[in-house]
Amino acid sequence: DIVMTQSPASLAVSLGERATINCKSSQSVLFTYNNKNFLAWYQQKPGQPPKLLISWASTRESGVPDRFSGSGSGTDFTLTISSLQAEDVAVYYCQHYYSSPPTFGQGTKVEIK
Amino acid sequence: EVQLLESGGNLVQPGGSLRLSCTASGFTFSSYALSWVRQAPGKGLEWLSLISGSGGTTFYAASVKGRFTISRDNSKNTVYLEMNSLRAEDTAVYYCAKDEYGDYRFDDWGQGTLVTVSS
Repeated sequence: DIVMTQSPASLAVSLGERATINCKSSQSVLFTYNNKNFLAWYQQKPGQPPKLLISWASTRESGVPDRFSGSGSGTDFTLTISSLQAEDVAVYYCQHYYSSPPTFGQGTKVEIK
Repeated sequence: EVQLLESGGNLVQPGGSLRLSCTASGFTFSSYALSWVRQAPGKGLEWLSLISGSGGTTFYAASVKGRFTISRDNSKNTVYLEMNSLRAEDTAVYYCAKDEYGDYRFDDWGQGTLVTVSS
């Protein structure tokens, strides 16, 4: 199975500041035939189910604010919140969908400093 | 609007069985794969099982293969998870998740149902 490792486990950021979350996969999730990274990011607010934010490492889902961006390729990926808002307090998970079983990172908790 | 509603969670003794249900609305049910994903208290997400739209193809995580069975009834817009030989480590919130593209990306989730395995 592909192991997804996120860092940091938690971070506290001031409102309006940048938050950066890293995700590393134990093997590449880049499919060379279409040059796409099979990597997704989810947001889970307290008491709620996860919400799909980003697919293909960098493609925002419909309705996701543009302060959320994803980058990276192969085995190293980043989720950036460019200007943290109060409503962004949540746990963020990366997930690969390169093969079965899909696996998630352990999560990164984002809080307000 | 897509809605997924899980039910069936309960307190069960170790070694016991339970069947979870997920009833869907707001989309053409038989056209989409569905998965079960669980989250132990205070922990991360673990994918468990997927069933294709027709029900003809299923996949399982190693942790539940042979103990859990996924199925669906497209006439009732419902997917099931039959869980046997339950262990304390199966204690979690169990989510039903819709797989829009059939590639293990989960675009809609239910609110979850809590399964507690304890004596």
